[in-house]
Amino acid sequence: GIQVEQSPPDLILQEGANSTLRCNFSDSVNNLQWFHQNPWGQLINLFYIPSGTKQNGRLSATTVATERYSLLYISSSQTTDSGVYFCAVEQAGTALIFGKGTTLSVSS
Amino acid sequence: EAEVAQSPRYKITEKSQAVAFWCDPISGHATLYWYRQILGQGPELLVQFQDESVVDDSQLPKDRFSAERLKGVDSTLKIQPAELGDSAMYLCASSPGVSNGYTFGSGTRLTVV
Repeated sequence: GIQVEQSPPDLILQEGANSTLRCNFSDSVNNLQWFHQNPWGQLINLFYIPSGTKQNGRLSATTVATERYSLLYISSSQTTDSGVYFCAVEQAGTALIFGKGTTLSVSS
Repeated sequence: EAEVAQSPRYKITEKSQAVAFWCDPISGHATLYWYRQILGQGPELLVQFQDESVVDDSQLPKDRFSAERLKGVDSTLKIQPAELGDSAMYLCASSPGVSNGYTFGSGTRLTVV
């Protein structure tokens, strides 16, 4: 089956810093989503981005489907950005498959 | 904004007891998913429904787990008997269709003692 690899596994930042999270996948996909899992366990959808670039406030994402990777950019990080960020992909006929996540800790 | 409703939020049960979780998807979403997330890992699919029909339950431990979506709306996931290794977060998600984004509920955190 398809492999989803996220890097780095852990990231520690000072408030105000910028960061880039990466997601590599091993086969073509028709859906890619980025999620933020808050401390209470809920998965919050950040972006539905099978290709192209999207921005939402301090967050933006880019997926290059032909090269099988996606990037999530966080600018001017805040303590509330802390948590686990998951990349998940979907192929035709399958449900979303998740990577192992990147754990982000932002300190003030 | 429409939400996926799940209950209970937390559940503590003793080993060998039965436990059930409920999920109400966003209105009009035909596809419903149950995922299990073990601490420190990404969610993994247990079962996928399209309306009232099971599309994929290949990863559902059918000797102890069952899932239903009788009228194609809300769904129940049951474990009987619960084992210590079932302690995890159980997440429900819904989607309007293929190649559309998923929306997840708040999850049920199960602890088996």
